Amino acid sequence: QVQLVQSGAEVKKPGSSVKVSCKASGGTFSSYAISWVRQAPGQGLEWMGGIIPIFGTANYAQKFQGRVTITTDESTSTAYMELSSLRSEDTAVYYCARFHGMATMEGAFDIWGQGTMVTVSS
Amino acid sequence: DIVMTQTPLSSPVTLGQPASISCRSSQSLVHSDGNTYLSWLQQRPGQPPRLLIYKISNRFSGVPDRFSGSGAGTDFTLKISRVEAEDVGVYYCMQATQFPHVTFGQGTKVEIK
Repeated sequence: QVQLVQSGAEVKKPGSSVKVSCKASGGTFSSYAISWVRQAPGQGLEWMGGIIPIFGTANYAQKFQGRVTITTDESTSTAYMELSSLRSEDTAVYYCARFHGMATMEGAFDIWGQGTMVTVSS
Repeated sequence: DIVMTQTPLSSPVTLGQPASISCRSSQSLVHSDGNTYLSWLQQRPGQPPRLLIYKISNRFSGVPDRFSGSGAGTDFTLKISRVEAEDVGVYYCMQATQFPHVTFGQGTKVEIK
């Protein structure tokens, strides 16, 4: 059974960058899309972007274009999300999630990481 | 982007009683492949979201049969036939018809009266 394990909590200064990792274990990594979703304190879920490791091309929500970079390292089955020019409003829990395909598959996020708290504070 | 609107935003329910959550999309969620990529997620306090229902009405592995989904086009419903204490949390609908650009509803908080 595939599990997604994320890196630990981060505290960052405004204007800096953060890079969060998401390591897949127990199954195939390359052929499924990995997305990043964030949740500000007490708020809902917000899709930031995603990538299919085997293709390597990322797609981003317009809101984060230019500030977020999603990459993968197939050799270690790890996805990364880097967010730059951090501001206090970026304080949130960041989740990675596997999208289990369209058509004959669920067409939904079936596996989620445990979440990484990123706090942006001076 | 497709806007997903959930009602109600809060649902106090008596244990053992049913609960219902509605989700409306700003445009049809029918994909060109004929599927409708509307799913429901449950988020218990302090936990990551968990997939409950996919493609409108299919229960994900391990999801109790008291959860059911229905709907078509732009209007969808999640029902819990008899609410249990472990069902407390926030429920989100999500569209993936415009994958990779997915969008979520605002969330509906289910709590026990």
